[in-house]
Amino acid sequence: GAGVSQSPSNKVTEKGKDVELRCDPISGHTALYWYRQSLGQGLEFLIYFQGNSAPDKSGLPSDRFSAERTGGSVSTLTIQRTQQEDSAVYLCASSPGQPISGNTIYFGEGSWLTVV
Amino acid sequence: SQELEQSPQSLIVQEGKNLTINCTSSKTLYGLYWYKQKYGEGLIFLMMLQKGGEEKSHEKITAKLDEKKQQSSLHITASQPSHAGIYLCGAYFSGSARQLTFGSGTQLTVLP
Repeated sequence: GAGVSQSPSNKVTEKGKDVELRCDPISGHTALYWYRQSLGQGLEFLIYFQGNSAPDKSGLPSDRFSAERTGGSVSTLTIQRTQQEDSAVYLCASSPGQPISGNTIYFGEGSWLTVV
Repeated sequence: SQELEQSPQSLIVQEGKNLTINCTSSKTLYGLYWYKQKYGEGLIFLMMLQKGGEEKSHEKITAKLDEKKQQSSLHITASQPSHAGIYLCGAYFSGSARQLTFGSGTQLTVLP
């Protein structure tokens, strides 16, 4: 597609269940980012991929959170044993390379996660 | 993020008025991005600035990065209801060039 695609757009899950969120970046973009936006909060960096490797995963809040990227394309963010505080919008972004190289970063529309 | 402070937090203006949103950093910026977000939607890229003193314009929106590269301003001329939304600045700093740090946003309302 023309832009960053995320699925599902909305997810309601019960506390304790695992969830998977998917991101399909813009074709050819080597850099991929996951951010979280909680109600009334700013954007919180979670993880950065360059190709299939994640040189910066400093923002993952706990070991319940993991992410992978395969084929230098699609990425999946997995949250295990979800908690109510995990409720947020999870935003994926991609760019042709690192920000320091002057690359534009494009965001998807997000996956709204509600843990009940 | 305390590294990036946006002001004002919210702004209500009458259609046709000009307005300015500021983004101030506690350290030297290596690059500054401006995005717009509408409720329930993703971030729409507006502009990116890298060089001190740089200024870019798109339609009625102008963004500047000051010479010392610690502040950016976003100026909207003759505002329209379509400009309403949340404006976010994001920056990358030395030592964390792989991620953008975002400000807390400015909520803009334009009254018709």
